Amino acid sequence: DIQMTQSPTSLSASVGDRVTITCRASQSISSYLTWYQQRPGKAPQLLIYAASSLQSGVPSRFSGSGSGTDFTLTISSLQPEDFGTYFCRQSYSTPYTFGQGTKLEIK
Amino acid sequence: EVQLVESGGTLVQPGESLRLSCAASGFSFRNYAMNWVRQAPGKRLEWVSFITPVSDTIYYADSVKGRFTISRDNAKNSLYLQMNSLRDEDTAVYYCAREGDISAYLGMDVWGRGTTVTVSS
Repeated sequence: DIQMTQSPTSLSASVGDRVTITCRASQSISSYLTWYQQRPGKAPQLLIYAASSLQSGVPSRFSGSGSGTDFTLTISSLQPEDFGTYFCRQSYSTPYTFGQGTKLEIK
Repeated sequence: EVQLVESGGTLVQPGESLRLSCAASGFSFRNYAMNWVRQAPGKRLEWVSFITPVSDTIYYADSVKGRFTISRDNAKNSLYLQMNSLRDEDTAVYYCAREGDISAYLGMDVWGRGTTVTVSS
C-alpha cells in the first residue's frame, strides 16, 4: 500500500498569512493527488485535483503543486473560513489512501 | 442541486450485518463511479470501496474485503454498501462520494453528509 504522510499535523496561523501543507507519498504517484478540506462535523470538500488543478468554485487563494512523491497545498492569504482539517489522497493505485490530516487553526 | 444522501447507519452488535444506502440526485448517476469512505472518531479518512458506472470494476480496502459488498442500482440512482460480520473497528461515519472520473484522477467532487455506524456490544 502507498503511505501518505502530511506535515505538519497541526498549525495555527493568522488571517492574511501564507500557509503551506505538504504531503509525501511512499512511492511515486505521478500527479494522482487530491486535496480536501473538512470543517468540523461536515463532509470533506474537494479543493485540488490532479495535484495542481483548482476545483470549480474553490477560491483562487488555494493552489497545489508537486508530482511524483512530494506535494504541496498553499493558501496564499488565509481567511477565517479556512479553518478545518486538510487531507491529501492518492488515487494512483488501490487502496486509495489518505494522509493523516493537517488541522488548521486560525489565531 | 447535486446531492448525495446516505442512510442506514445505526447501532449494531459485533458480528451483525447492516446495509447502507446512498441516494443520488441532481446529476446523471449512471455516468459516475462512486466510493464509500469512512472516518472513525478522531481518525483520518479511510477509503472503503469503489465501483465503476456499470459495476464492471470494484475495489475494496483490505480491512473490509470479504465482509463488505458495494453495489449500485442506476435505475434507482442509488449506491449500497452491504456490511457483514461487523467489528468494533468498523465504527465510523460512512460517506458516499462521487468520483470525478473512473480513473479516480479528478477526485471525489461530491460527498454526502454521512451516516453513523456504531458497532458495540
